[in-house]
Amino acid sequence: LAKTTQPISMDSYEGQEVNITCSHNNIATNDYITWYQQFPSQGPRFIIQGYKTKVTNEVASLFIPADRKSSTLSLPRVSLSDTAVYYCLVGDTGFQKLVFGTGTRLLVSP
Amino acid sequence: EAQVTQNPRYLITVTGKKLTVTCSQNMNHEYMSWYRQDPGLGLRQIYYSMNVEVTDKGDVPEGYKVSRKEKRNFPLILESPSPNQTSLYFCASSFGLRGANTEAFFGQGTRLTVV
Repeated sequence: LAKTTQPISMDSYEGQEVNITCSHNNIATNDYITWYQQFPSQGPRFIIQGYKTKVTNEVASLFIPADRKSSTLSLPRVSLSDTAVYYCLVGDTGFQKLVFGTGTRLLVSP
Repeated sequence: EAQVTQNPRYLITVTGKKLTVTCSQNMNHEYMSWYRQDPGLGLRQIYYSMNVEVTDKGDVPEGYKVSRKEKRNFPLILESPSPNQTSLYFCASSFGLRGANTEAFFGQGTRLTVV
């Protein structure tokens, strides 16, 4: 399984764009990159998934450079409700075994 | 609404008293799994199921049992709960197993306390 490295925590203010980078140097050819969000005492929630280049949905964008050794989750104009832990998952086991690391604790302040 | 439903949400029980945490999904997903989340240890997989009657152990299966008699249900059974099973439990399901379409849907969680 590809090991991922993310910042432990990040701080931001309402209305700012937040970029969380995940490093995964040992990513395999078959691996997808998936991001989840988790609020305290709630189950993780899927945010976005990608394989290469850029993926955008209604809540976030995912940027993946050509070498795929890292990825960046971009949250546009965050609000207080975006305060949560964000996990980057990389691995070819897919749903069979989701490996959640320690994640990035994002705190959005007014 | 597509969802994974766990019950109960909160449970306090005594050591040795058998209990079952139910999990049901309404998305016709083949794949389901159970996780426990503990401070400092993150989410750890207990069991997973590839289909009806097909289950396998995850990383921390000791003290737990599961069954998958129907596609939509995947109950977690603690035959003789112990205090070290006090934790926050999540059930998850997915349409796909690998590659794309592996978005996992998680339940709301069950906070179990064993005294």
